[in-house]
Formats: sequence, C-alpha cells, structure tokens
Amino acid sequence: GAVVSQHPSRVICKSGTSVKIECRSLDFQATTMFWYRQFPKQSLMLMATSNEGSKATYEQGVEKDKFLINHASLTLSTLTVTSAHPEDSSFYICSARRQAYEQYFGPGTRLTVT
Amino acid sequence: GQQVMQIPQYQHVQEGEDFTTYCNSSTTLSNIQWYKQRPGGHPVFLIQLVKSGEVKKQKRLTFQFGEAKKNSSLHITATQTTDVGTYFCAGWRTGGGADGLTFGKGTHLIIQP
Repeated sequence: GAVVSQHPSRVICKSGTSVKIECRSLDFQATTMFWYRQFPKQSLMLMATSNEGSKATYEQGVEKDKFLINHASLTLSTLTVTSAHPEDSSFYICSARRQAYEQYFGPGTRLTVT
Repeated sequence: GQQVMQIPQYQHVQEGEDFTTYCNSSTTLSNIQWYKQRPGGHPVFLIQLVKSGEVKKQKRLTFQFGEAKKNSSLHITATQTTDVGTYFCAGWRTGGGADGLTFGKGTHLIIQP
C-alpha cells in the first residue's frame, strides 16, 4: 500500500512552453500533497504545500504564478510550470501525506527545458 | 526558518567499514525522518523518530534521536555495496498551513570494494 505515482517521468520542452506534472496517490486519499524540487547532487527543497480544495501554500522565493498547483481531488495534485526556461530544468518530486507525519514520495519527474 | 544541517557531505569507505551521518536542526523537531536515495531514484523512507533519546535499529542500521530533539544520527555497521546512495535526514515543519519536510543536504555514501 501507500503508492504515489507521477506522470510523466521525463519531459523535454522548449523554452516558453508550459508543462503539467501529475501526482496521484493510488491506494489512499491524501488531503495534503507536497511538491519538492531537486537539482543535481543537491537536496530536496520544498516548493509548496497543496491542500485539497484550497489554495496551495508556497515557500518563500517560489513564484506562485510560475508554478501553478491544483489539488482538485483527494488523489490528484498537479504542478504546471508555466513559460518554462532552462533554469527550471530540475527533478520535481511530489509526496502525499496519508496521516500525521507519514508521507510517501512519487518517483519524480525530470524536466529538461531546451 | 528551520534549518537542518547534515554532515559529512561525502563519505568514502571501504566495504565492511562503518559509516555515520549526523544531522542537526536549528530548532526543536517534533520528529525526524531518514531517507535513502539511490542515484537516479527518488527518496525512500527509512524510519521516523519521535521520542527524545529514541534509538531504533534496522538490521545493520542504527538511528538515534537526541535528548533535546535537535540532532540525530544514522550509523551503518559493516557497509555493503548495496548501501551506496545519499542519506537524507528531514525534520517535519508545522504551522500556518505550510507543512512538509525540511531536508538536510544529505550525505553521499561511496563504497570502495
């Protein structure tokens, strides 16, 4: 149990286009999902907390108009990188909270912006 | 804001040697979690420590949570090549609708056969 999927696993897009990444909890309902970003050989940085049915809470320095988060159901959260630029190239990982301090990570999405 | 420091950044060991990574938080933690990430993979949950002074073991891995709940360590006895990866500690943040984990920078474990 406690499986989280992400789609796509890899995406290459051109500068200026938008990319949507989906995060699904497959066998449990998650009222809260989190989005992290990881640059090569670096740690995970929390970008935002996504609560079902409400607006996401963004970390300081993360542009909410650039990284649009939607958490429309208890099993799905989406992250849209709008007008992507090469500096947005990174590994984006979501996690879903099942209860209290228990969360499970998705396999990640590697975004490359050319 | 909460900061989680982790040392060392890199650790080279010979197979069979022990390995330890240390984690310190700038604030008291409600709990601390440890993750392992293999190259090209995603973080995999190892364990959660909640109680002051708690010690937990998983086979060759020993996890400790400090008495003040501000530091933690992971010790691996007799490393094997399968232990290769990056070990992250992470403290859970709470409050103001902004939850989530604050990760340490991780310790990259490199094992030489």
